[in-house]
Amino acid sequence: EVQLVESGGGLVQPGGSLRLSCAASGFIFNDFTMIWVRQAPGKGLEWVSDIASDGDSPHYADSVKGRFTISRDNSKNQLFLQMNNLRGDDTALYFCAKDADDGIGFFDYWGQGTLVTVSS
Amino acid sequence: EIVLTQSPVTLSLSPGERATLSCRASQSVSSSLLAWYQQKRGQAPRLLICDASSRATGIPDTFNGTGSGTDFTLTISRLEPEDFAVYYCQQYGSSPWTFGQGTKVEIK
Repeated sequence: EVQLVESGGGLVQPGGSLRLSCAASGFIFNDFTMIWVRQAPGKGLEWVSDIASDGDSPHYADSVKGRFTISRDNSKNQLFLQMNNLRGDDTALYFCAKDADDGIGFFDYWGQGTLVTVSS
Repeated sequence: EIVLTQSPVTLSLSPGERATLSCRASQSVSSSLLAWYQQKRGQAPRLLICDASSRATGIPDTFNGTGSGTDFTLTISRLEPEDFAVYYCQQYGSSPWTFGQGTKVEIK
């Protein structure tokens, strides 16, 4: 059974940093692109970042480019999102998702999300 | 960036009725690379449809996706109580991948 479990969310002040983690199991992690998608309170889904199976070719939404860094540890089946210089509009539930292939672009499994709140 | 506009924003229907949800793209979606997701309150999204019309594993045949180019439709032929949720379309034909703003299907 595929499982994705996010952690690392919390309350942080504007300008602060957080590192999100996603522990994956139930599939061959290093065969698949992995993604972060976020959902602001009461709003829709927004793709944030993705990283290819080999850790190369990260992509970022313009809204987070230069502030967020995606990475993965294939030896530990973990995905990460380092978030720096956080702003109020980064407040959201952050989902880790698995690509249906290696970069095909749609997401067949999702975690339950970790909540990030940016506020003073 | 391809902007996806979903309509209506809210659809009020009764169980057993047919639901028709629209997703319109600001430019043609390459090779009909469009997916639909269902999200229930407090839950993660669930993949329903990929490639505009292919049902994901375990999705009942009451869910049907059609369309190409800029116009796509998700039809739920007969609403079950568990189908009342928010539905999102997402294109993956060009970077960046983008989502529509969602259609809420609520009980009338």
